Amino acid sequence: NAGVTQTPKFRILKIGQSMTLQCAQDMNHNYMYWYRQDPGMGLKLIYYSVGAGITDKGEVPNGYNVSRSTTEDFPLRLELAAPSQTSVYFCASIFPPTGNTEAFFGQGTRLTVV
Amino acid sequence: ELKVEQNPLFLSMQEGKNYTIYCNYSTTSDRLYWYRQDPGKSLESLFVLLSNGAVKQEGRLMASLDTKARLSTLHITAAVHDLSATYFCAGNAGNNRKLIWGLGTSLAVNP
Repeated sequence: NAGVTQTPKFRILKIGQSMTLQCAQDMNHNYMYWYRQDPGMGLKLIYYSVGAGITDKGEVPNGYNVSRSTTEDFPLRLELAAPSQTSVYFCASIFPPTGNTEAFFGQGTRLTVV
Repeated sequence: ELKVEQNPLFLSMQEGKNYTIYCNYSTTSDRLYWYRQDPGKSLESLFVLLSNGAVKQEGRLMASLDTKARLSTLHITAAVHDLSATYFCAGNAGNNRKLIWGLGTSLAVNP
């Protein structure tokens, strides 16, 4: 099992450009999350999904969009990139949180907007 | 909405000493997670605590949960340099659909 795979690992965007951060998991997890991590600010939830076709906003959704057409994939779209979106982005997945299930994280995407 | 607060946010300690990191949460969460993050790396699961009074131990780390006080602790025994990392706690919110995280505790263990 590869676990949670994020691509790309690094990206530099110019202001106003768009891009899609990819996230795929092969563990058949229903729940998937996108977080951004800024220095000293912990993890902020951007969007989450509890299954294919179902997405919902987290704490900081503005400037982002997501889709969940399959159980495996949960891409995050940035439209009109802004310097405030410079951050490290993590994707995570979990079975519905029952029992001792834990969340698994991807390796992160470090995004710089200049 | 669930809020998760950790303290301290920064901790510098000597090898061989003991210390405790605290995680308070504002509303009911049916489980509490502890994760570790090394600099420039992803997050790695340490413990999942499910019920009041739950205690789990792995090496020099021990985590506990008091659901009545809405408090979890991560106790470090006889710290070693390899434990230097940032430690996060998280709880469930929104009918267990959302994982909400604390700001993390940056731990430095010095010789």
